[in-house]
Amino acid sequence: AQSVTQPDIHITVSEGASLELRCNYSYGATPYLFWYVQSPGQGLQLLLKYFSGDTLVQGIKGFEAEFKRSQSSFNLRKPSVHWSDAAEYFCAVGAQVRGQNFVFGPGTRLSVLP
Amino acid sequence: EAGVAQSPRYKIIEKRQSVAFWCNPISGHATLYWYQQILGQGPKLLIQFQNNGVVDDSQLPKDRFSAERLKGVDSTLKIQPAKLEDSAVYLCASSLLGQIAYNSPLHFGNGTRLTVT
Repeated sequence: AQSVTQPDIHITVSEGASLELRCNYSYGATPYLFWYVQSPGQGLQLLLKYFSGDTLVQGIKGFEAEFKRSQSSFNLRKPSVHWSDAAEYFCAVGAQVRGQNFVFGPGTRLSVLP
Repeated sequence: EAGVAQSPRYKIIEKRQSVAFWCNPISGHATLYWYQQILGQGPKLLIQFQNNGVVDDSQLPKDRFSAERLKGVDSTLKIQPAKLEDSAVYLCASSLLGQIAYNSPLHFGNGTRLTVT
């Protein structure tokens, strides 16, 4: 079965600074990878997804992520963080095997300093 | 398009009581999911429906949890009797293709926050 780890529980950055959130996955085949964001009291919103092809994918709100097969990673990046980016970020992997479904990582909480 | 609708937003019950949550997915979405999100953790799948059939309920505590999706549209999740450890946010999600294409993204509702005292 697939699994996802997000090594950083909580990250604090200053507004305008760059951001990188780490995600590592474990899955025997080619994974489908996703990043979701959850604001307080809200459901999860899809930021971006990777299926195949170009390993650098662009998402909404200025986010991008890079798939590195050799490192089993799918890190999320943003060059300049805005205060409104403060939220919980979840990496997820979708499987190609019946009965195995989306698995979410534990999440990284992002705080943004003014 | 209208998003995934869930109700109620909040529910407080005592242990051993029963509770039900309702979800209406995005129109046309064949696949519906119920996730449990305990504070500080990522969502955990409870059950997945494809139309009105169950695809995966391997992590659903069937002695107390039940779910149905009549007519392949909206769905209800029930807990009876509730335990303290059931306190969590219950998220409903839907996707267009789901079981057919695992790259079909999930669209989430705002969730129901359950507190069991």
